[in-house]
Amino acid sequence: GPKVLQIPSHQIIDMGQMVTLNCDPVSNHLYFYWYKQILGQQMEFLVNFYNGKVMEKSKLFKDQFSVERPDGSYFTLKIQPTALEDSAVYFCASSLDRVEQYFGPGTRLTVL
Amino acid sequence: AQSVTQPDARVTVSEGASLQLRCKYSYSATPYLFWYVQYPRQGLQLLLKYYSGDPVVQGVNGFEAEFSKSNSSFHLRKASVHWSDSAVYFCAVSIQGRGGSNYKLTFGKGTLLTVTP
Repeated sequence: GPKVLQIPSHQIIDMGQMVTLNCDPVSNHLYFYWYKQILGQQMEFLVNFYNGKVMEKSKLFKDQFSVERPDGSYFTLKIQPTALEDSAVYFCASSLDRVEQYFGPGTRLTVL
Repeated sequence: AQSVTQPDARVTVSEGASLQLRCKYSYSATPYLFWYVQYPRQGLQLLLKYYSGDPVVQGVNGFEAEFSKSNSSFHLRKASVHWSDSAVYFCAVSIQGRGGSNYKLTFGKGTLLTVTP
């Protein structure tokens, strides 16, 4: 099936640093999502993005978070500055029809 | 607010036995319904989906799920499990978010399935 790629697979950073998580969505998809999964818990919606704009964000999407997809390249999630509670696995998803979402393998972020 | 409940955090079955993983949702309308599987260190893979019509939907690898509007449920079933089915299974619902042009998934907490020899 369609593949979503995420780079890197694992990132370790010190608290207060900036981090950018990269997602390479399915090539013809138009809708993009980020979800957060804390170890042992359910995956939770962060934000979705369409036509260059954030369509909806959850309360987990703090002011320190931002997303963009410049010139149709990677869909990125930037956290600046990071906090300890940002440690989680972040999953990117993309969709063509807004409903069926395809997920990447996740980026495990560890904030020390 | 909508929610998804998977009442069984862990399920253990013997290889070759039948399986049912339970999922109930709370939402005023019928959402789109999904089951995803997550293997260790991998992303989510879609097993099956329900949009409308026949309440029993077939998925990959012999999985099926049955939608019940009266029970607000979408239980996953398999007639005979294999050791390779050991994974975490997530039930999810999709509803239209604010803004009118996007949908977001709400997930249950997942059920860890262990298939024993």
